[in-house]
Amino acid sequence: NAGVTQTPKFQVLKTGQSMTLQCAQDMNHEYMSWYRQDPGMGLRLIHYSVGAGITDQGEVPNGYNVSRSTTEDFPLRLLSAAPSQTSVYFCASSYSRGEQTQYFGPGTRLLVL
Amino acid sequence: SQQGEEDPQALSIQEGENATMNCSYKTSINNLQWYRQNSGRGLVHLILIRSNEREKHSGRLRVTLDTSKKSSSLLITASRAADTASYFCATDVRDGNKLVFGAGTILRVKS
Repeated sequence: NAGVTQTPKFQVLKTGQSMTLQCAQDMNHEYMSWYRQDPGMGLRLIHYSVGAGITDQGEVPNGYNVSRSTTEDFPLRLLSAAPSQTSVYFCASSYSRGEQTQYFGPGTRLLVL
Repeated sequence: SQQGEEDPQALSIQEGENATMNCSYKTSINNLQWYRQNSGRGLVHLILIRSNEREKHSGRLRVTLDTSKKSSSLLITASRAADTASYFCATDVRDGNKLVFGAGTILRVKS
């Protein structure tokens, strides 16, 4: 199993550009989520999904869109990048909503100029 | 504000010593989890303690949970240089569909 994979590992964007961060898992996990990590802030939940076709907002959803057309994939879209979105983004997945141990991807480091 | 907050923010100890990190939270939980993050990497799950449990062990790790005080502690015994990492508590919030992370404790173990 590859586990949770994320691409790209590093990206530089200009303000106003859009892009999609990819996340995929091969463990047949129902629950997937996106976090951003900023210095001194821990991880903050952006969006999550409890299964294909179902998504919901987390703590900091503004400026981001998600979709879940398949169990395996959970892409995160930045609609119009802003410097405040400079961060490290982590995708995670778990078997289910209840008593979940989350498996994390390696992260995408995003710099918005 | 964060549901879980760790204390201290940073901790520096000698190899062989014990390291204790604390986590406080605000609302009712189903369970509380601890994760480790090595520099530049994703988080790795360490241990989960349910709301009806008071103590749990896993190797050199000991976790306690006091739901009346809404707090948890992670003890790493006989620390090693390889334990150097950031440690995060995460609360599985009751009536929520998400895991909420604290800001983390940076542990440095000197050899």
